[in-house]
Amino acid sequence: AQSVTQLDSQVPVFEEAPVELRCNYSSSVSVYLFWYVQYPNQGLQLLLKYLSGSTLVESINGFEAEFNKSQTSFHLRKPSVHISDTAEYFCAVSRPGTASKLTFGTGTRLQVTL
Amino acid sequence: DTEVTQTPKHLVMGMTNKKSLKCEQHMGHRAMYWYKQKAKKPPELMFVYSYEKLSINESVPSRFSPECPNSSLLNLHLHALQPEDSALYLCASSQEGSAGYEQYFGPGTRLTVT
Repeated sequence: AQSVTQLDSQVPVFEEAPVELRCNYSSSVSVYLFWYVQYPNQGLQLLLKYLSGSTLVESINGFEAEFNKSQTSFHLRKPSVHISDTAEYFCAVSRPGTASKLTFGTGTRLQVTL
Repeated sequence: DTEVTQTPKHLVMGMTNKKSLKCEQHMGHRAMYWYKQKAKKPPELMFVYSYEKLSINESVPSRFSPECPNSSLLNLHLHALQPEDSALYLCASSQEGSAGYEQYFGPGTRLTVT
């Protein structure tokens, strides 16, 4: 079975500052990795995903994440955050070749202030 | 149209009531999901339907009964719920039911059991 650890439950940051949200996973087999974002009173939206190929994946709104197999990590980064990035961020994994069953981390609350 | 709609947005029910949650998507997706999300927690998978057949039941109590009348609709029938079942219920869909496909989430139904 796989598991996901998001060590930071909250990350406060000032607007225009860089941010990194950490995600580590544990699995004995290869995995697919995802970052989802949940804005207040909304459902989840996919930010980006890693299935295979280039280890650096990017989203359309400036976020990027790098798959590091040796460190079993998939940290999310943004060089300059905006107030509108305030949300809950969930890292998730699933197993290739199986049914689409996402295992989520506990989430990181990104709080951006002026 | 990349939208998953859920009705109602809010629901308050007593422990002896019977109610249903509804979910609809018109993206031609063949997999649909129900998740339960408690406050400040990640979503927990409840059921997966693939090609209108139940493919995953995560040992959910029988007081929750899913139904997939057609490929666009997903219902969750509720009966004799407990106060601890109060949560945000999220519906999602994906193109296929295998791992790696993006799941599109609805905004959720916030359920309160009194």
